[in-house]
Amino acid sequence: GESVGLHLPTLSVQEGDNSIINCAYSNSASDYFIWYKQESGKGPQFIIDIRSNMDKRQGQRVTVLLNKTVKHLSLQIAATQPGDSAVYFCAESYQKVTFGTGTKLQVIP
Amino acid sequence: NAGVTQTPKFRILKIGQSMTLQCTQDMNHNYMYWYRQDPGMGLKLIYYSVGAGITDKGEVPNGYNVSRSTTEDFPLRLELAAPSQTSVYFCASSRQGRHSPLHFGNGTRLTVT
Repeated sequence: GESVGLHLPTLSVQEGDNSIINCAYSNSASDYFIWYKQESGKGPQFIIDIRSNMDKRQGQRVTVLLNKTVKHLSLQIAATQPGDSAVYFCAESYQKVTFGTGTKLQVIP
Repeated sequence: NAGVTQTPKFRILKIGQSMTLQCTQDMNHNYMYWYRQDPGMGLKLIYYSVGAGITDKGEVPNGYNVSRSTTEDFPLRLELAAPSQTSVYFCASSRQGRHSPLHFGNGTRLTVT
């Protein structure tokens, strides 16, 4: 498998439970944020995005929350499924896009 | 649509050799990017292009070159490969630059020995 998952924090979640993945961003001027999912051996895949004028955005089974006061972003996945197992990372955008290092989500059947 | 297609998937190079990583997209995106991904690190931008004929350096451009003769293609050239260039390389495209999500290819795993 891909070595991208090495040395990453791991979140283990029971199938059917909700998952919450957190991300601290660095630039208070960042105005656009994105969550990506990366499965082993594949490229990152867009999940959901949010602009800085919002604090919450919902997609299908996913919700992103943005707290600009503490520069914190979270991704909530409802009813986690085995297919959700992957590395998840956030990205912040100001003059350039900066990617986080990621969290490995492990779903326990 | 195939999206972003990268070739080859894997490659082993000897120190000092050269190669071109190919990238093509069929979404008619103006913006294209090359990133490298090292274990435990976030994606690092090597080069990017905002349209055919226009390229610019990213954070880690040394040892690489790019060209953008068409909207679809954005090849990355490695000259005089070094062990520090061992990495996974991702090409990506986007519709509107930094305020739109990136569409990634599935990567090229390069080993330089």
